[in-house]
Amino acid sequence: GIQVEQSPPDLILQEGANSTLRCNFSDSVNNLQWFHQNPWGQLINLFYIPSGTKQNGRLSATTVATERYSLLYISSSQTTDSGVYFCAVTALGNNDYKLSFGAGTTVTVRA
Amino acid sequence: GAGVSQSPSNKVTEKGKDVELRCDPISGHTALYWYRQSLGQGLEFLIYFQGNSAPDKSGLPSDRFSAERTGGSVSTLTIQRTQQEDSAVYLCASSFQRTISYNEQFFGPGTRLTVL
Repeated sequence: GIQVEQSPPDLILQEGANSTLRCNFSDSVNNLQWFHQNPWGQLINLFYIPSGTKQNGRLSATTVATERYSLLYISSSQTTDSGVYFCAVTALGNNDYKLSFGAGTTVTVRA
Repeated sequence: GAGVSQSPSNKVTEKGKDVELRCDPISGHTALYWYRQSLGQGLEFLIYFQGNSAPDKSGLPSDRFSAERTGGSVSTLTIQRTQQEDSAVYLCASSFQRTISYNEQFFGPGTRLTVL
């Protein structure tokens, strides 16, 4: 099946700093989602972005499908940005509904 | 509108007992998914329902696991004769009518299952 790799595995930021999280995938995709898992375990949808660039407040994301990667940018980080960020994809093909998740990036923002 | 809801939020059971986990998808969503999040395996797909089509059960880890979806809405995941390795957070997701061009999945808060 499709492989999803996220980097870095852990990220410690000072409040106000900017950061970039990366997601590499091993095959063509028709769906790519970024999630933030909050301390209660809820997966919050950040972006649905199989290609192109989107922005939502201090967060933005870019997916370059032809090169099989996506980037999530966090600007002016706040302590509430702490948590685990997951990238998940569905592969083109018969099973194009199963989300395959990366292992996540754990972000800690310090005041 | 309301999001995906799951119950119970926490379940503690003894090894060998059966458990039922419930999922209410977002109203109007025809596709429903179950995933599992465990320390050793990360987030993994379990089962997929779409309308009246036969479900894709390919992710179920053993025949002790089963799921049904009644009336195209509520779904129940049943684990029989629970084992300690079944301890995990079980997540349900739903999406609007699946098309090739759009299939954003929305997740519920999960059920944390602990098997003693």
